[in-house]
Amino acid sequence: GENVEQHPSTLSVQEGDSAVIKCTYSDSASNYFPWYKQELGKRPQLIIDIRSNVGEKKDQRIAVTLNKTAKHFSLHITETQPEDSAVYFCAAITTDSWGKLQFGAGTQVVVTP
Amino acid sequence: SAVISQKPSRDICQRGTSLTIQCQVDSQVTMMFWYRQQPGQSLTLIATANQGSEATYESGFVIDKFPISRPNLTFSTLTVSNMSPEDSSIYLCSVEERGSDTQYFGPGTRLTVL
Repeated sequence: GENVEQHPSTLSVQEGDSAVIKCTYSDSASNYFPWYKQELGKRPQLIIDIRSNVGEKKDQRIAVTLNKTAKHFSLHITETQPEDSAVYFCAAITTDSWGKLQFGAGTQVVVTP
Repeated sequence: SAVISQKPSRDICQRGTSLTIQCQVDSQVTMMFWYRQQPGQSLTLIATANQGSEATYESGFVIDKFPISRPNLTFSTLTVSNMSPEDSSIYLCSVEERGSDTQYFGPGTRLTVL
């Protein structure tokens, strides 16, 4: 089955700097890669996703890149703000997995003013 | 996106008892899933709730411990049976809308077993 590894486990950045979280996956058939943000005590919220036919996607300060050959994808947050502090999870899914998301271990991002 | 609610939002239960968690969606969805999130951990899929048939369980999860129902396209329940302190977790349902890979999560149920 699919295995998703996520690094780093914690990330501290100064407000205004950029943050990058990297994930690798094992199943070359994976074709959909969402990113979720989970604030303390809240549900995971989808913040951006990318499909295997696209190499990069951007939404304001957030971008995701996908390298299918290397089987890794990354989340980039620019101009970080204190409200970006949360746990971020990457995930992967394959077409024949009937919607089953395989999550990474998560990255605790702390943005200090 | 679909509006998802869960009941109860939290509960404290005694060892050996059972708790049923409800998940309600405001629109018909194709797929519904149940996840467990242990303290400080990632999300682990328990099972896929299938409408009108038995749920599909992931490795390590069994029907006797986590019976699931899905009587229609907008509602599902997860029961945590014969609870022990190790079952203390957040339980979340998620839904996948028609024609989409995108999954959205309910607010979760925080369960504490004493």
